[in-house]
Amino acid sequence: NAGVMQNPRHLVRRRGQEARLRCSPMKGHSHVYWYRQLPEEGLKFMVYLQKENIIDESGMPKERFSAEFPKEGPSILRIQQVVRGDSAAYFCASSPNWLAGTDTQYFGPGTRLTVL
Amino acid sequence: DQQVKQNSPSLSVQEGRISILNCDYTNSMFDYFLWYKKYPAEGPTFLISISSIKDKNEDGRFTVFLNKSAKHLSLHIVPSQPGDSAVYFCAASGGAQKLVFGQGTRLTINP
Repeated sequence: NAGVMQNPRHLVRRRGQEARLRCSPMKGHSHVYWYRQLPEEGLKFMVYLQKENIIDESGMPKERFSAEFPKEGPSILRIQQVVRGDSAAYFCASSPNWLAGTDTQYFGPGTRLTVL
Repeated sequence: DQQVKQNSPSLSVQEGRISILNCDYTNSMFDYFLWYKKYPAEGPTFLISISSIKDKNEDGRFTVFLNKSAKHLSLHIVPSQPGDSAVYFCAASGGAQKLVFGQGTRLTINP
């Protein structure tokens, strides 16, 4: 019974490069969420996706960040032209079909992005 | 605008005693609350949740209490064990699916 999978676990990029973070939800889960955690802070919501649809991207920076959850394959969080301020832990969570406010999100191990 | 607040950055408790972690929220639209436990370099692990229609939910050593009028919830762990040492986050949602997290409380269980 595999949990939420994320890869890579650690990613190092130089300023200006692109970062791609992958997330495979738990089996049977159709909702994916991305959160970011800066050092010594709580997790901050970025985006909520269902298959082939972005449902809520209110937490995504307006530029350089994008997310997708294709019909086949993992969800991808893409950061273009990374800057040092993008260094953080990025967590993916998944949940089964939503039932009016009682849905629990289960988290993956995270990807730690370091921008040099 | 910190809608979910954990005002104690750290808490130290003796093994076998009760640990009480607190969380306050400001958004009256929140109707579902969760507690997560997090070890370093790992993702948050779900512990226990409570819907706003309840004021208490219990699961083994973990009990969550919700006081809607005070917009306050707490997590009780009894008895506390060394493996409970971790950072604990409370989180809330209000029908929009996204979770709003507190800043976390680092719990240390002393032998």
